[in-house]
Amino acid sequence: AAGVIQSPRHLIKEKRETATLKCYPIPRHDTVYWYQQGPGQDPQFLISFYEKMQSDKGSIPDRFSAQQFSDYHSELNMSSLELGDSALYFCASSSRVHEQYFGPGTRLTVT
Amino acid sequence: AQTVTQSQPEMSVQEAETVTLSCTYDTSESDYYLFWYKQPPSRQMILVIRQEAYKQQNATENRFSVNFQKAAKSFSLKISDSQLGDAAMYFCAYHSSGGGADGLTFGKGTHLIIQP
Repeated sequence: AAGVIQSPRHLIKEKRETATLKCYPIPRHDTVYWYQQGPGQDPQFLISFYEKMQSDKGSIPDRFSAQQFSDYHSELNMSSLELGDSALYFCASSSRVHEQYFGPGTRLTVT
Repeated sequence: AQTVTQSQPEMSVQEAETVTLSCTYDTSESDYYLFWYKQPPSRQMILVIRQEAYKQQNATENRFSVNFQKAAKSFSLKISDSQLGDAAMYFCAYHSSGGGADGLTFGKGTHLIIQP
């Protein structure tokens, strides 16, 4: 079965640079979620989109923005990167049946 | 706001034995969903099992089953016949039923070690 696709899988950026993470949900899933998992931490919810509209917002910094496109893929844009932004970023998708399926994650390292 | 507590940072079990991971949560909602996710060393988050709060029957998926006690706000995961491949971090998660696109609230996780 098709799974959530995230790209890139690994990303290295310097402080103050910008990063864009991409997420392709499972086909026919209309809801996308973004999570951040720091080292040794549990995943923290950032933001979600349903039918291309922002639905819920968690602890997403103002330096981050996201959107969902007409083909349902989503992008997380991160600007003015800080060392503390180094983490594993997950995208998850669902078809509103209260089950979120996670992608493999993008490991972001800020140096 | 909802909170999820996993009081066991680490658990160890012998292969083929049974282990139970604990999870408690706090919420003022009457309808919600609870999940257990597994995160092996690959860091992939894998959905193990789901429980709807309005269902009294405990969910079961092969060797995995839950003990859902709504009044006590407790949601434990039992793994029977433990296998080496079960070694992972296990996260308990809460999801409000009010909005389908709400984010999950996770506990801090339990690191499960399987002794051969």
